[in-house]
Amino acid sequence: DAMVIQNPRYQVTQFGKPVTLSCSQTLNHNVMYWYQQKSSQAPKLLFHYYDKDFNNEADTPDNFQSRRPNTSFCFLDIRSPGLGDAAMYLCATSRVGIRDRGYEQYFGPGTRLTVT
Amino acid sequence: RKEVEQDPGPFNVPEGATVAFNCTYSNSASQSFFWYRQDCRKEPKLLMSVYSSGNEDGRFTAQLNRASQYISLLIRDSKLSDSATYLCVVGKGYNNNDMRFGAGTRLTVKP
Repeated sequence: DAMVIQNPRYQVTQFGKPVTLSCSQTLNHNVMYWYQQKSSQAPKLLFHYYDKDFNNEADTPDNFQSRRPNTSFCFLDIRSPGLGDAAMYLCATSRVGIRDRGYEQYFGPGTRLTVT
Repeated sequence: RKEVEQDPGPFNVPEGATVAFNCTYSNSASQSFFWYRQDCRKEPKLLMSVYSSGNEDGRFTAQLNRASQYISLLIRDSKLSDSATYLCVVGKGYNNNDMRFGAGTRLTVKP
């Protein structure tokens, strides 16, 4: 049973052509994350949502935007992809953390983005 | 200093070996700790959460040392199927939704 779904699994886009990646979840989790992972590197957090509260990382380029229209869906928009944006993009969800703990994340299978 | 640092690896061990990974974190307010496993070109999957008292799941044991700000993962009786990258994840502290990944340690178990 798929819990975190990402579409498409593979995306090829041209340099400078906007692209949107999508993520949906059936877990009803409040928190959704977008990570960028390049080869042999750790996932790098781009931003996360706590419900509709958007939390951007300080070093996330303006080229990356996100939307969360409802609990189930979250989108990653890359306005003008560059060659350096080629990577795996991972969506994850979790229950909302409480004062003394956070909860594990559930990851989707990722979207592998190629920029030509 | 990076927020989460792991042993650089790679670790190449024979089947049946015991191997241990360490992970240090910089934020003393961190409250949540996890080990994830990631296979090549796959998404990370939770291996185990790390509790203050330490916890064990079969061949895997996780420990937390708050005073020294590190967590560890011990794998006993390594199997070929344990070959993967092991990622340490630490909650940022005051915001328990903000999770930080270490760079990962690559483990290869050989026959």
